[in-house]
Amino acid sequence: QSALSQPASVSGSPGQSITISCTGTSSDIGFYDYVSWYQQHPGKAPKLIIYDVTNRPSGVSRRFSGSKSGNTASLTISGLQAEDDGDYFCSSYSGSSNTPVVFGGGTKLTVL
Amino acid sequence: EAQLVQSGAEVKKPGESLRISCKASGDISAGHWISWVRQMPGKGLEWMGRIDLSDSYTNYSPSFQGHVTISADKSITTAFLQWSSLKASDTAIYYCARDRDFSFDPWGQGTLVTVSS
Repeated sequence: QSALSQPASVSGSPGQSITISCTGTSSDIGFYDYVSWYQQHPGKAPKLIIYDVTNRPSGVSRRFSGSKSGNTASLTISGLQAEDDGDYFCSSYSGSSNTPVVFGGGTKLTVL
Repeated sequence: EAQLVQSGAEVKKPGESLRISCKASGDISAGHWISWVRQMPGKGLEWMGRIDLSDSYTNYSPSFQGHVTISADKSITTAFLQWSSLKASDTAIYYCARDRDFSFDPWGQGTLVTVSS
């Protein structure tokens, strides 16, 4: 069981917006602004798309945005495109020296 | 451009030893942290541990402590992940990634390790 909780799947049609949630605790997401999101296509390595809750790395589409409220972080993808189909994982700093990073179980996004 | 290139796929028998590598180039140099992440077949991501390339200081997840060893050679900016006795349950894809304030970017292409008798 993953430390952070994500829905197993979400879906949307091209052009629509979807939001993926990532729920942690007051010790990780609720306490630190170190939430990241990763996109993974089948057979490929994960790719960082959001870091520090809201920041996009250079080259990542502005259609991807991140936010946080309390113990829950969210990834919103606007203007869905077929290429957005894939798996999305969240992670957070946990403050623990033993396991400083915890991941969510992942969400499968299907673009209909 | 920062890049991580991992060693190729491996097929091993239970009880065998193995070391896989992760070569850094571009903007990644000694002074950066490299983390290792496991992805079992069809499953999510698990943080295993990390190493500071400059002095080889390591952190391990309790889930992996004692079963794997993370090391590095800063002269060739390469990190390693090693097992002394593999189990079938070690079958997975292993990724290395630059660890910057607990976000990972870039990632290596992954190394598939298959352990089967």
